[in-house]
Amino acid sequence: DTAVSQTPKYLVTQMGNDKSIKCEQNLGHDTMYWYKQDSKKFLKIMFSYNNKELIINETVPNRFSPKSPDKAHLNLHINSLELGDSAVYFCASSTWGAPQHFGDGTRLSIL
Amino acid sequence: AQKVTQAQTEISVVEKEDVTLDCVYETRDTTYYLFWYKQPPSGELVFLIRRNSFDEQNEISGRYSWNFQKSTSSFNFTITASQVVDSAVYFCALSGGLETSGSRLTFGEGTQLTVNP
Repeated sequence: DTAVSQTPKYLVTQMGNDKSIKCEQNLGHDTMYWYKQDSKKFLKIMFSYNNKELIINETVPNRFSPKSPDKAHLNLHINSLELGDSAVYFCASSTWGAPQHFGDGTRLSIL
Repeated sequence: AQKVTQAQTEISVVEKEDVTLDCVYETRDTTYYLFWYKQPPSGELVFLIRRNSFDEQNEISGRYSWNFQKSTSSFNFTITASQVVDSAVYFCALSGGLETSGSRLTFGEGTQLTVNP
């Protein structure tokens, strides 16, 4: 039943490690997104894919690499994790102009 | 560039009071969409409403109502007879034309609403 699901929900890891967050949507949407919510609750777009093509790539360190194997999936891989990467990462999907449906978020904590 | 401003960082009310959350936006797009999302303490983002730039009619949904005024670039949200369950962070967001913004959401900084019993 879940429309946008992302895993894991919590991710605790050491500085310098590489980790991935997975996202899947079963809504048939053609656009998927990654947003970052920082400790002050501010939400900002990181990436967007439309039909597996990258259309938004904000000023994000190149340690962050999104991958979209198909329209229903958008994964986020992060290399060499740093303390400042600690945040909640939200995946979302939509068709253009429509409300974006968000996953429940992945809380990433770097030790 | 697009910008959304929610000037009220925190609001605290007593149950049954009415409360209005302010949202002011900036955009150069002629076609755009405005949204409100709710983030309860459990952390998920819940969609509340979408408005397109050509529809200035106010909307009411139960205890919630929205006032969209293009002349002042505002999209304010009112909760009538607030309840403790309304306690959450509320985000106003803007999405522009696909060509200019790729349908990204630009969020305001959020308003933390606390409703006390």
